[in-house]
Amino acid sequence: DAGVIQSPRHEVTEMGQEVTLRCKPISGHDYLFWYRQTMMRGLELLIYFNNNVPIDDSGMPEDRFSAKMPNASFSTLKIQPSEPRDSAVYFCASRPSGIVGKYFGPGTRLTVT
Amino acid sequence: SQKIEQNSEALNIQEGKTATLTCNYTNYSPAYLQWYRQDPGRGPVFLLLIRENEKEKRKERLKVTFDTTLKQSLFHITASQPADSATYLCALFEGQAGTALIFGKGTTLSVSS
Repeated sequence: DAGVIQSPRHEVTEMGQEVTLRCKPISGHDYLFWYRQTMMRGLELLIYFNNNVPIDDSGMPEDRFSAKMPNASFSTLKIQPSEPRDSAVYFCASRPSGIVGKYFGPGTRLTVT
Repeated sequence: SQKIEQNSEALNIQEGKTATLTCNYTNYSPAYLQWYRQDPGRGPVFLLLIRENEKEKRKERLKVTFDTTLKQSLFHITASQPADSATYLCALFEGQAGTALIFGKGTTLSVSS
């Protein structure tokens, strides 16, 4: 298996622009997570899905952030409009059911100027 | 208030020694705890999981302990090698929730030859 796939790996955009991050989880994993990592705040959960259904989005910073999972093999995280404070590394992770570890993707480094 | 702390931001040791990393938490009641390794520019990689009713877990040169009375987990790497140099994150989980309560900010371990 190729592992969790994220695209793009790097994104540089100007303030006010829309940004879409993409994730393909590991086949057979029914949980998908979006995290954001910064030096100041560490790794923070934004939202997670179970069987394509959003379960907890309490970590989503504000209405500018939205996430979808239209099917078991694809998810997007959208920021509209983007702001410089959104600059961070965004990780997607997946795992199967049960008390097991998560599998993280390589991350998308987002820079908003 | 609730918080999780990893003993120090950086730990430097010599090759062959045992590295001990600490994860302390307050005002949480985790059912289990996980340790991850993160290399620069990469996503975290799951290493070990320990449940609240387990005192110790081992995997090759790695050992994790979990003391719910002290509210502390210790992560040991025996016979450390330069290849063990990375940032190590602990994460608390409560019950059957699908996600981590919180991730620590990590301890960066440097093993010199």
